[in-house]
Amino acid sequence: ETGVTQTPRHLVMGMTNKKSLKCEQHLGHNAMYWYKQSAKKPLELMFVYSLEERVENNSVPSRFSPECPNSSHLFLHLHTLQPEDSALYLCASSPSGLETYEQYFGPGTRLTVT
Amino acid sequence: QKEVEQNSGPLSVPEGAIASLNCTYSDRGSQSFFWYRQYSGKSPELIMFIYSNGDKEDGRFTAQLNKASQYVSLLIRDSQPSDSATYLCAVNTDYKLSFGAGTTVTVRA
Repeated sequence: ETGVTQTPRHLVMGMTNKKSLKCEQHLGHNAMYWYKQSAKKPLELMFVYSLEERVENNSVPSRFSPECPNSSHLFLHLHTLQPEDSALYLCASSPSGLETYEQYFGPGTRLTVT
Repeated sequence: QKEVEQNSGPLSVPEGAIASLNCTYSDRGSQSFFWYRQYSGKSPELIMFIYSNGDKEDGRFTAQLNKASQYVSLLIRDSQPSDSATYLCAVNTDYKLSFGAGTTVTVRA
């Protein structure tokens, strides 16, 4: 496993629920990312945080709300999701968000919206 | 035009053969290029990165970059059944990575 952990690994939620995904990196990196991976589609970048400041919000619906309290932790708060939001949500980290370093992924959270 | 394009495959190769994966990208200003391996149900795992034109070798893997042609490739020598996975090409655009849809490789024993 890389030094990036995610919880929960699986989540089933109804459209009226509120839940949060958690990501933690133990690599001393300064940048963290949320991606969405749907079947047969490329990874979609959702949010980028560099030194706890959001530097990218890639036209993501407001029902997804990120939070980065420090450089080691990243959350994705979910509310009133739609069935098409069912996907694998991946967190990644890299040494710097403003340079072109490699990114390391966590194991992902498999989200199912019913 | 997609930012990063890969052949979706599946690419089937016999054990011990060379698997050749191709990737083209649209942003001529891209400087960094990455190959990730993703097993079914797992997250992407970084296997190679390359910044300069030419070849870069790491064990059985060789990455090749041609910036003039906007082309990057991955060769897997002596393919093993454990190499069966989807391989994702990623290219930097500013501070973001753009990913291709991946090429699925199956190594048959």
